[in-house]
Amino acid sequence: QVQLVQSGAEVKKPGASVKVSCKASGYTFTTYYMHWVRQAPGQGLEWMGIINPTGGGTTYGEKFQGRVTMTRDTSTSTVYMELNSLRSEDTAVYYCAIYYGGNSAFDYWGQGTLVTVSS
Amino acid sequence: DTVLTQTPLSSPVTLGQPASISCRSSQSLVHSDGNTYLSWLQQRPGQPPRLLIYKISNRFSGVPDRFSGSGAGTDFTLKISRVEAEDVGIYYCMQATQFPPTFGGGTKVEIK
Repeated sequence: QVQLVQSGAEVKKPGASVKVSCKASGYTFTTYYMHWVRQAPGQGLEWMGIINPTGGGTTYGEKFQGRVTMTRDTSTSTVYMELNSLRSEDTAVYYCAIYYGGNSAFDYWGQGTLVTVSS
Repeated sequence: DTVLTQTPLSSPVTLGQPASISCRSSQSLVHSDGNTYLSWLQQRPGQPPRLLIYKISNRFSGVPDRFSGSGAGTDFTLKISRVEAEDVGIYYCMQATQFPPTFGGGTKVEIK
């Protein structure tokens, strides 16, 4: 079965960087683009960007341009999302998700990774 | 970016009664391929979102038939025919017709 398993919670200081991983299993890793979505405490969902696991090409949301880097390791079927220059407003749960069914809907999600930015 | 506006913000419902959530888009969600990529997600407390409905009205695998979606163009609705206790949570509409994908602000369904 399709599974997306993310790395554990992180606590970072303002100005630092965080790297969150998302390990995929149960399907051919290179078939489906991986998206990242975040959710600040008590807030809604915000799309961050997308990575093509085949060639590594990325597209980032305008808000995150210059601060986010998404990479992948095909040997371990893992995608990474690194966010730099962290500020308190980046405190959020970060999710990876895919459109598995070919219907442009997020049918599989990771369990989420809480990133807390605090001095 | 395409803005999705959900109403109401909160919906207190009596168990066994229906609930309805509206999602209005700032532009048409009809894709050039003829499909409309509007989906609905449910998020229970402490859980990641879960897909309920895709392409306006198609229930995802395992979703109870009390959930239904309808609409066209810029106006969409999610209905729960008879709310059960396990339906408590926040519901989001999401569009993937226009890039980037965007989400509605969410509607909280709670038991009265």
